[in-house]
Amino acid sequence: QVQLKESGPVLVQASETLSLTCTVSGFSLTNYGVIWVRQPPGKGLEWMGIIWRNGNTDYNSALKSRLSINRDTSKSQVFLKMNSLQTDDTAIYYCTRGFGAWGQGVMVTVSS
Amino acid sequence: DVVMTQTPPSLSVAIGQSVSISCKSSQSLVASDKNTYLNWLLQSPGRSPKRLIYQVSKLDSGVPDRFSGSGSEKDFTLKISRVEAEDLGVYYCLQGTHLPRTFGGGTKLELK
Repeated sequence: QVQLKESGPVLVQASETLSLTCTVSGFSLTNYGVIWVRQPPGKGLEWMGIIWRNGNTDYNSALKSRLSINRDTSKSQVFLKMNSLQTDDTAIYYCTRGFGAWGQGVMVTVSS
Repeated sequence: DVVMTQTPPSLSVAIGQSVSISCKSSQSLVASDKNTYLNWLLQSPGRSPKRLIYQVSKLDSGVPDRFSGSGSEKDFTLKISRVEAEDLGVYYCLQGTHLPRTFGGGTKLELK
């Protein structure tokens, strides 16, 4: 059974760095890519970036300067780091495998 | 970036009614492998998104055949026949052909 679960702090101060972890089960990160998507409160979905099965990454150009995605295949974990947070980075952050399986999301609030 | 334009932004329906949602892309979604990577997702209130349809018209496992997708190139439609209460929420189209992946703005399906 394919599962993904996001974890990380729910409150981050502005200008600091957000670190989130997506822990997966039921598949190998060397066979599937993992995508990060976020959703500000009451708004739509935004594709943030992907780490492909070969470990390469692609990012939303609007976030590229602040965002990095990495992984530890032995732990079945994918990591998102985004620096210089602002209040408009407040959102639910999801990880997904190919948009067919999603985590429950983690609500991150950026406080000024 | 490919812009995905969804209409209408909201729909008020009665149970048992049929509805259609339109999604238009600013570029052709036909990929170099000749496939068209257009997805439809449903986000029920308070839940993670769930993919219903991929590659324009292929239903994900467990999705009722009341849902159908059609279209080509830049013009796509999701049809729901005989709406049920569990179908209420926000529908998103999502293109998976070009990087960055992009979502439509969403169509909120509400009960009349």
